Amino acid sequence: GESVGLHLPTLSVQEGDNSIINCAYSNSASDYFIWYKQESGKGPQFIIDIRSNMDKRQGQRVTVLLNKTVKHLSLQIAATQPGDSAVYFCADAGIDRGSTLGRLYFGRGTQLTVWP
Amino acid sequence: DAGVTQSPTHLIKTRGQHVTLRCSPISGHKSVSWYQQVLGQGPQFIFQYYEKEERGRGNFPDRFSARQFPNYSSELNVNALLLGDSALYLCASSFSQGPYEQYFGPGTRLTVT
Repeated sequence: GESVGLHLPTLSVQEGDNSIINCAYSNSASDYFIWYKQESGKGPQFIIDIRSNMDKRQGQRVTVLLNKTVKHLSLQIAATQPGDSAVYFCADAGIDRGSTLGRLYFGRGTQLTVWP
Repeated sequence: DAGVTQSPTHLIKTRGQHVTLRCSPISGHKSVSWYQQVLGQGPQFIFQYYEKEERGRGNFPDRFSARQFPNYSSELNVNALLLGDSALYLCASSFSQGPYEQYFGPGTRLTVT
Protein backbone atom coordinates (compact mmCIF):
# COMPACT_ATOMS: atom_id res chain seq x y z
CA GLY A 1 0.00 0.00 0.00
CA GLU A 2 0.89 3.63 0.06
CA SER A 3 3.64 4.78 2.33
CA VAL A 4 3.45 8.44 1.42
CA GLY A 5 0.65 10.96 1.41
CA LEU A 6 0.15 14.64 0.84
CA HIS A 7 -1.32 17.15 3.25
CA LEU A 8 -3.44 19.08 0.75
CA PRO A 9 -4.94 17.95 -2.53
CA THR A 10 -4.90 21.46 -4.04
CA LEU A 11 -2.78 24.58 -3.72
CA SER A 12 -3.38 27.95 -5.40
CA VAL A 13 -0.73 30.65 -5.48
CA GLN A 14 -0.17 33.99 -7.15
CA GLU A 15 2.45 34.21 -9.86
CA GLY A 16 5.74 35.29 -8.32
CA ASP A 17 4.94 33.94 -4.86
CA ASN A 18 6.72 30.99 -3.31
CA SER A 19 4.93 27.63 -3.15
CA ILE A 20 5.31 24.95 -0.51
CA ILE A 21 3.99 21.45 -1.13
CA ASN A 22 4.08 19.06 1.79
CA CYS A 23 4.31 15.30 2.03
CA ALA A 24 4.24 12.87 4.95
CA TYR A 25 5.60 9.36 4.91
CA SER A 26 4.93 6.55 7.33
CA ASN A 27 7.88 4.22 6.99
CA SER A 28 10.86 5.25 9.10
CA ALA A 29 13.06 2.94 7.00
CA SER A 30 12.41 4.98 3.85
CA ASP A 31 15.74 6.32 2.73
CA TYR A 32 15.16 7.95 -0.63
CA PHE A 33 12.55 10.38 -1.90
CA ILE A 34 11.77 11.92 -5.27
CA TRP A 35 9.51 14.80 -6.25
CA TYR A 36 7.79 14.59 -9.62
CA LYS A 37 5.77 17.12 -11.60
CA GLN A 38 3.02 15.80 -13.85
CA GLU A 39 1.27 18.00 -16.37
CA SER A 40 -2.06 16.97 -17.81
CA GLY A 41 -1.70 14.12 -20.31
CA LYS A 42 2.02 13.67 -19.68
CA GLY A 43 4.26 11.36 -17.70
CA PRO A 44 5.78 12.41 -14.36
CA GLN A 45 8.81 14.67 -14.74
CA PHE A 46 11.72 14.23 -12.32
CA ILE A 47 12.25 17.43 -10.30
CA ILE A 48 14.60 16.67 -7.44
CA ASP A 49 15.53 13.85 -5.11
CA ILE A 50 16.94 13.56 -1.61
CA ARG A 51 18.46 10.77 0.44
CA SER A 52 17.83 10.25 4.11
CA ASN A 53 21.37 11.31 5.05
CA MET A 54 20.49 14.86 3.95
CA ASP A 55 18.13 17.48 5.40
CA LYS A 56 18.01 19.82 2.45
CA ARG A 57 18.78 19.84 -1.22
CA GLN A 58 18.49 22.67 -3.70
CA GLY A 59 17.93 22.73 -7.43
CA GLN A 60 16.98 25.41 -9.87
CA ARG A 61 14.17 27.38 -8.12
CA VAL A 62 13.32 24.33 -6.03
CA THR A 63 14.33 23.16 -2.57
CA VAL A 64 13.43 19.91 -0.87
CA LEU A 65 13.49 19.69 2.91
CA LEU A 66 13.46 16.42 4.78
CA ASN A 67 12.55 16.12 8.45
CA LYS A 68 13.15 12.54 9.49
CA THR A 69 12.03 13.16 13.05
CA VAL A 70 8.44 13.80 12.00
CA LYS A 71 8.69 11.89 8.70
CA HIS A 72 7.86 14.88 6.58
CA LEU A 73 9.25 16.39 3.44
CA SER A 74 8.39 19.49 1.50
CA LEU A 75 9.00 20.94 -1.92
CA GLN A 76 9.52 24.67 -2.10
CA ILE A 77 9.22 26.44 -5.44
CA ALA A 78 10.58 29.97 -5.59
CA ALA A 79 8.95 32.68 -7.70
CA THR A 80 6.20 30.36 -8.93
CA GLN A 81 5.32 30.72 -12.60
CA PRO A 82 2.21 29.72 -14.59
CA GLY A 83 4.27 26.93 -16.15
CA ASP A 84 4.62 25.40 -12.69
CA SER A 85 0.90 24.56 -12.68
CA ALA A 86 0.69 20.78 -12.49
CA VAL A 87 0.15 17.87 -10.11
CA TYR A 88 3.12 17.27 -7.82
CA PHE A 89 3.88 13.84 -6.41
CA CYS A 90 6.31 12.78 -3.75
CA ALA A 91 7.54 9.21 -4.06
CA ASP A 92 9.17 7.05 -1.45
CA ALA A 93 11.66 4.39 -2.31
CA GLY A 94 12.50 1.28 -0.39
CA ILE A 95 10.43 -0.17 2.38
CA ASP A 96 13.29 -2.27 3.63
CA ARG A 97 16.54 -0.56 4.42
CA GLY A 98 19.18 -1.95 2.12
CA SER A 99 16.67 -3.15 -0.42
CA THR A 100 17.93 -2.92 -3.97
CA LEU A 101 14.45 -3.02 -5.40
CA GLY A 102 13.71 -0.03 -7.58
CA ARG A 103 10.11 0.29 -6.52
CA LEU A 104 8.65 3.75 -5.90
CA TYR A 105 5.56 4.39 -3.77
CA PHE A 106 3.50 7.42 -4.75
CA GLY A 107 0.94 9.48 -2.89
CA ARG A 108 -2.14 10.96 -4.55
CA GLY A 109 -0.55 14.24 -5.55
CA THR A 110 -1.18 17.94 -5.01
CA GLN A 111 -2.66 20.06 -7.79
CA LEU A 112 -0.76 23.35 -7.92
CA THR A 113 -2.54 26.20 -9.70
CA VAL A 114 -0.68 29.44 -10.38
CA TRP A 115 -2.79 32.56 -10.94
CA PRO A 116 -1.45 35.48 -13.00
CA ASP B 1 19.36 13.20 -25.77
CA ALA B 2 16.17 11.21 -26.19
CA GLY B 3 14.20 10.47 -23.08
CA VAL B 4 12.11 7.41 -22.34
CA THR B 5 9.84 6.61 -25.25
CA GLN B 6 6.63 4.58 -25.19
CA SER B 7 4.33 3.25 -27.85
CA PRO B 8 1.57 3.45 -28.72
CA THR B 9 0.38 6.77 -27.29
CA HIS B 10 -3.23 5.75 -27.09
CA LEU B 11 -4.98 2.43 -27.40
CA ILE B 12 -8.60 1.30 -27.29
CA LYS B 13 -9.33 -2.36 -26.64
CA THR B 14 -12.37 -4.50 -25.88
CA ARG B 15 -12.83 -6.57 -22.74
CA GLY B 16 -11.15 -9.95 -23.02
CA GLN B 17 -8.58 -8.82 -25.56
CA HIS B 18 -4.83 -8.77 -25.14
CA VAL B 19 -2.53 -5.73 -25.31
CA THR B 20 1.21 -5.18 -25.66
CA LEU B 21 2.82 -1.90 -24.63
CA ARG B 22 6.39 -0.98 -25.49
CA CYS B 23 9.08 1.08 -23.82
CA SER B 24 12.56 2.21 -24.81
CA PRO B 25 14.71 3.46 -21.92
CA ILE B 26 17.14 6.32 -21.93
CA SER B 27 20.38 5.31 -23.62
CA GLY B 28 22.66 3.64 -21.07
CA HIS B 29 19.87 2.84 -18.63
CA LYS B 30 19.57 -0.84 -17.78
CA SER B 31 16.52 -0.80 -15.54
CA VAL B 32 12.93 -0.47 -16.70
CA SER B 33 9.94 -0.29 -14.39
CA TRP B 34 6.26 -0.29 -15.28
CA TYR B 35 3.57 1.63 -13.44
CA GLN B 36 -0.19 1.91 -13.76
CA GLN B 37 -1.82 5.26 -13.10
CA VAL B 38 -5.55 5.42 -12.69
CA LEU B 39 -7.14 8.83 -13.14
CA GLY B 40 -6.78 10.98 -10.05
CA GLN B 41 -4.22 8.73 -8.33
CA GLY B 42 -0.50 8.31 -8.16
CA PRO B 43 1.29 5.65 -10.20
CA GLN B 44 1.23 2.08 -8.86
CA PHE B 45 4.23 -0.18 -9.35
CA ILE B 46 3.73 -3.22 -11.60
CA PHE B 47 7.18 -4.59 -12.51
CA GLN B 48 10.86 -3.84 -12.50
CA TYR B 49 13.32 -5.41 -14.92
CA TYR B 50 17.07 -5.05 -14.67
CA GLU B 51 19.58 -6.73 -16.94
CA LYS B 52 16.72 -8.66 -18.56
CA GLU B 53 15.59 -10.24 -15.31
CA GLU B 54 12.49 -9.49 -13.26
CA ARG B 55 13.62 -7.83 -10.05
CA GLY B 56 10.30 -6.90 -8.54
CA ARG B 57 6.59 -7.29 -8.97
CA GLY B 58 3.73 -5.29 -7.51
CA ASN B 59 0.30 -6.45 -6.46
CA PHE B 60 -1.09 -7.16 -9.92
CA PRO B 61 -2.69 -10.36 -11.22
CA ASP B 62 -0.92 -12.88 -13.43
CA ARG B 63 -2.70 -11.39 -16.43
CA PHE B 64 0.09 -8.83 -16.34
CA SER B 65 3.48 -9.92 -17.62
CA ALA B 66 6.55 -8.21 -18.98
CA ARG B 67 9.96 -8.83 -20.40
CA GLN B 68 13.15 -6.95 -21.18
CA PHE B 69 15.17 -7.40 -24.31
CA PRO B 70 18.98 -7.42 -24.82
CA ASN B 71 18.84 -3.75 -25.88
CA TYR B 72 17.05 -3.02 -22.54
CA SER B 73 13.76 -2.10 -24.15
CA SER B 74 10.73 -3.68 -22.56
CA GLU B 75 7.23 -4.90 -23.25
CA LEU B 76 4.26 -5.02 -20.90
CA ASN B 77 1.57 -7.54 -21.78
CA VAL B 78 -1.91 -7.66 -20.34
CA ASN B 79 -4.23 -10.58 -21.11
CA ALA B 80 -8.00 -10.89 -20.73
CA LEU B 81 -8.49 -7.15 -20.40
CA LEU B 82 -10.99 -5.85 -17.87
CA LEU B 83 -12.68 -2.46 -17.77
CA GLY B 84 -10.62 -1.70 -14.65
CA ASP B 85 -7.42 -2.00 -16.64
CA SER B 86 -8.20 1.34 -18.26
CA ALA B 87 -5.37 3.61 -17.14
CA LEU B 88 -2.21 5.42 -18.11
CA TYR B 89 0.66 2.93 -18.27
CA LEU B 90 4.00 4.48 -17.50
CA CYS B 91 7.49 3.23 -18.06
CA ALA B 92 10.42 4.52 -16.03
CA SER B 93 14.08 3.91 -16.68
CA SER B 94 17.16 4.26 -14.52
CA PHE B 95 20.80 3.33 -14.70
CA SER B 96 20.94 1.01 -11.72
CA GLN B 97 18.73 -1.58 -10.12
CA GLY B 98 18.05 0.68 -7.16
CA PRO B 99 15.29 3.27 -6.98
CA TYR B 100 17.52 6.23 -7.79
CA GLU B 101 16.75 8.82 -10.46
CA GLN B 102 13.94 7.13 -12.30
CA TYR B 103 12.78 8.99 -15.40
CA PHE B 104 9.33 8.42 -16.82
CA GLY B 105 8.10 8.26 -20.36
CA PRO B 106 4.94 9.98 -21.61
CA GLY B 107 2.83 6.89 -21.00
CA THR B 108 0.33 4.86 -23.01
CA ARG B 109 -3.32 5.68 -22.43
CA LEU B 110 -5.26 2.38 -22.51
CA THR B 111 -9.03 2.45 -22.70
CA VAL B 112 -10.94 -0.82 -22.33
CA THR B 113 -14.54 -0.82 -23.50
